[in-house]
Amino acid sequence: DVKVTQSSRYLVKRTGEKVFLECVQDMDHENMFWYRQDPGLGLRLIYFSYDVKMKEKGDIPEGYSVSREKKERFSLILESASTNQTSMYLCASSPTSGGIGELFFGEGSRLTVL
Amino acid sequence: AQSVAQPEDQVNVAEGNPLTVKCTYSVSGNPYLFWYVQYPNRGLQFLLKYITGDNLVKGSYGFEAEFNKSQTSFHLKKPSALVSDSALYFCAVRVSHYNQGGKLIFGQGTELSVKP
Repeated sequence: DVKVTQSSRYLVKRTGEKVFLECVQDMDHENMFWYRQDPGLGLRLIYFSYDVKMKEKGDIPEGYSVSREKKERFSLILESASTNQTSMYLCASSPTSGGIGELFFGEGSRLTVL
Repeated sequence: AQSVAQPEDQVNVAEGNPLTVKCTYSVSGNPYLFWYVQYPNRGLQFLLKYITGDNLVKGSYGFEAEFNKSQTSFHLKKPSALVSDSALYFCAVRVSHYNQGGKLIFGQGTELSVKP
């Protein structure tokens, strides 16, 4: 079965802390994505990556960075967490060859910044 | 701008009745359209997609969706709702990128509530 694993389901951090959200997929997918989900706003794309060491800004990249050192792992970094980054974060992956953009999602990481 | 709209924040139906969750889109070129479902505190699960061909697409859990090019709509339907269908539903459209992978733009979501 397709598997996207997010390392933490629930996190509570303090304002100003550096936060790492980790995502690993076991499907050998080229593409990986980070979305944030907020009520009434749906899913908004933060960053995505089409290959190792490559990254592209999504619609709301401010305050975030990403790292993709290996094909299976895509990390989201909050350099200095702020309360407005309290949200549900969803990682997803998709294949390029033979795929038509269908995404496979992890279970999500709910981050609370105090 | 390319976008997806789900005009209803919430849809309420009685168990056994048909359900419809609405979605409209705005894209350049031929659309690739998707429906996902999310249960509480879980990630999104793929339900179905439209790429080309028959306008009526069948998916998981008895759901289907009707693509209407003239109305730029892709409504999700089920003939007989179950209480277990209660969840948050997202419509999405693929936006092409110079890389063939593309990315998905999501609607704001519709909360479906099915009462016994």
